[in-house]
Amino acid sequence: SQTIHQWPATLVQPVGSPLSLECTVEGTSNPNLYWYRQAAGRGLQLLFYSVGIGQISSEVPQNLSASRPQDRQFILSSKKLLLSDSGFYLCAWNSGLMNTEAFFGQGTRLTVV
Amino acid sequence: ILNVEQSPQSLHVQEGDSTNFTCSFPSSNFYALHWYRWETAKSPEALFVMTLNGDEKKKGRISATLNTKEGYSYLYIKGSQPEDSATYLCAFVNTGFQKLVFGTGTRLLVSP
Repeated sequence: SQTIHQWPATLVQPVGSPLSLECTVEGTSNPNLYWYRQAAGRGLQLLFYSVGIGQISSEVPQNLSASRPQDRQFILSSKKLLLSDSGFYLCAWNSGLMNTEAFFGQGTRLTVV
Repeated sequence: ILNVEQSPQSLHVQEGDSTNFTCSFPSSNFYALHWYRWETAKSPEALFVMTLNGDEKKKGRISATLNTKEGYSYLYIKGSQPEDSATYLCAFVNTGFQKLVFGTGTRLLVSP
């Protein structure tokens, strides 16, 4: 069966520090991978998605970047965090068939202080 | 930018009430519409994935309908229970793009 792991669950980082959130999927190959951020009054905001290794699409200009160094690994990064980067981040995957459901990780609560 | 809107933003009902929410999405280039339930302290979980105009899906007391020509979907909950309290999210997929664009969500609170 397929599983998705996202870590860490919570993170407190000072302004200006780097960020690395990791997400891995098991039990499937060539998944579509997504990074979302929960936005107040805006549901889930899509930040990045990837349909294959090294293929990243950015949805929102921001202080963050994403990478997919391996088929089932998706990383969200920042070189210098801003206070506005605080929030709840979710990783998700689904198959390349967009008429199938997506599965979400447990989320990371990031607080930038 | 794809605009996916949900209404109402929040809803407070009594146990036993029936309720419904709306998801509005672009009517052009439709591919699929997803519904998810997101309970506090948990990850979102899929309720339905709908692809055909006029489609109706049901899971227990929850059902959904889809109108792709006018760009909306309804989610119905019959006889709401406190355990139905959650945020309900719809997500739109258009042709040519392999991404899920979520709506703003409807937060439901069911009081006993």
